[in-house]
Amino acid sequence: DAGITQSPRHKVTETGTPVTLRCHQTENHRYMYWYRQDPGHGLRLIHYSYGVKDTDKGEVSDGYSVSRSKTEDFLLTLESATSSQTSVYFCAITTLGVLGYTFGSGTRLTVV
Amino acid sequence: DAKTTQPNSMESNEEEPVHLPCNHSTISGTDYIHWYRQLPSQGPEYVIHGLTSNVNNRMASLAIAEDRKSSTLILHRATLRDAAVYYCILTGGIADKLIFGTGTRLQVFP
Repeated sequence: DAGITQSPRHKVTETGTPVTLRCHQTENHRYMYWYRQDPGHGLRLIHYSYGVKDTDKGEVSDGYSVSRSKTEDFLLTLESATSSQTSVYFCAITTLGVLGYTFGSGTRLTVV
Repeated sequence: DAKTTQPNSMESNEEEPVHLPCNHSTISGTDYIHWYRQLPSQGPEYVIHGLTSNVNNRMASLAIAEDRKSSTLILHRATLRDAAVYYCILTGGIADKLIFGTGTRLQVFP
């Protein structure tokens, strides 16, 4: 939908293992964002990027790292997954203009 | 970031207009007002945004108070598909990061 794809869609992993989530866009948008959403809460910003190799921290960045080596890909890594990182993760893209943000379909991550 | 206040929930009947309020008394002169909605099991979806003037698009209308301390999202004829959580968000620029609150859960009854 609108050129943004998240992978995987679902993942179950064990505590202490590394996990990488991928966000891929075909829109050549400059800005990309990672959010997490927990039951009963709105989305919370983890990290964001405003260009290749330009990233910054959001509200809840502890335990997460990101990389953006190409315009089209924004990777979110949990270096050592914990149960508190069980959540639904959304990626978003935007560009300057009137179209707003476009969100991916989400990745449901369960850490057991 | 300036904060917004929305009712936790609202109800409507199908085919009736819905007015979703948002208070943002600490808005600054350059803050944009955005509305997004999230349908069950989906990512948020852009609805509309504005700065000072009222805005219309195919999905909804945005009415902004003259002092900009409040705004109202108007769905002209609610459908069952409009049942969602609606988020009112302020940003410092058109591509500034979105900071979500808890939004308003809209229920639409047949």
